[in-house]
Amino acid sequence: AQKVTQAQTEISVVEKEDVTLDCVYETRDTTYYLFWYKQPPSGELVFLIRRNSFDEQNEISGRYSWNFQKSTSSFNFTITASQVVDSAVYFCALSEAYRDDKIIFGKGTRLHILP
Amino acid sequence: EADIYQTPRYLVIGTGKKITLECSQTMGHDKMYWYQQDPGMELHLIHYSYGVNSTEKGDLSSESTVSRIRTEHFPLTLESARPSHTSQYLCASSEAGTEEQFFGPGTRLTVL
Repeated sequence: AQKVTQAQTEISVVEKEDVTLDCVYETRDTTYYLFWYKQPPSGELVFLIRRNSFDEQNEISGRYSWNFQKSTSSFNFTITASQVVDSAVYFCALSEAYRDDKIIFGKGTRLHILP
Repeated sequence: EADIYQTPRYLVIGTGKKITLECSQTMGHDKMYWYQQDPGMELHLIHYSYGVNSTEKGDLSSESTVSRIRTEHFPLTLESARPSHTSQYLCASSEAGTEEQFFGPGTRLTVL
């Protein structure tokens, strides 16, 4: 069965610090997709990244970077030089290519960036 | 930017009322989803659709029903609202199941 674990329920850091959000997943499929979404206080979910299981290359987008390691089944998300606007709940998610196309979300990590 | 809309954004109603939450997308996506999310909590899939006339129940049992008569429209109905239905309801769509889902702004429902 597929499962996504975000062990950090809540994190607080001071602005400009770097912060890493952990995500560990379980799947029996060899083909799967991993996602990160951001949910700001306004409530909508904002798509951040999608990664397929065959591409372990790390990705950087501005202050955001993602570390995908199949050996540890992890897909961690790092924010460099955090800003107050980064305060949100972040969800990691998993979709298996040969299942019924549903995305399974983790429970989310609430990130507080303190000024 | 995603073109997926939900109305109303906020709704406060009394127990026993029938309500319909609207969701529309202009991206031509076949797949659409409804999630229920309590404040600060995880998302639970309650309904999904793979196309017109296709609807399935999600992982979380829900007393709501959905319909998919048109590709762009996926309304959710509660025949008789109860306080336990108080939650945020998020609608999403995607090109394919393994593609990213685009989310609407959500409807915050309060049943008194």
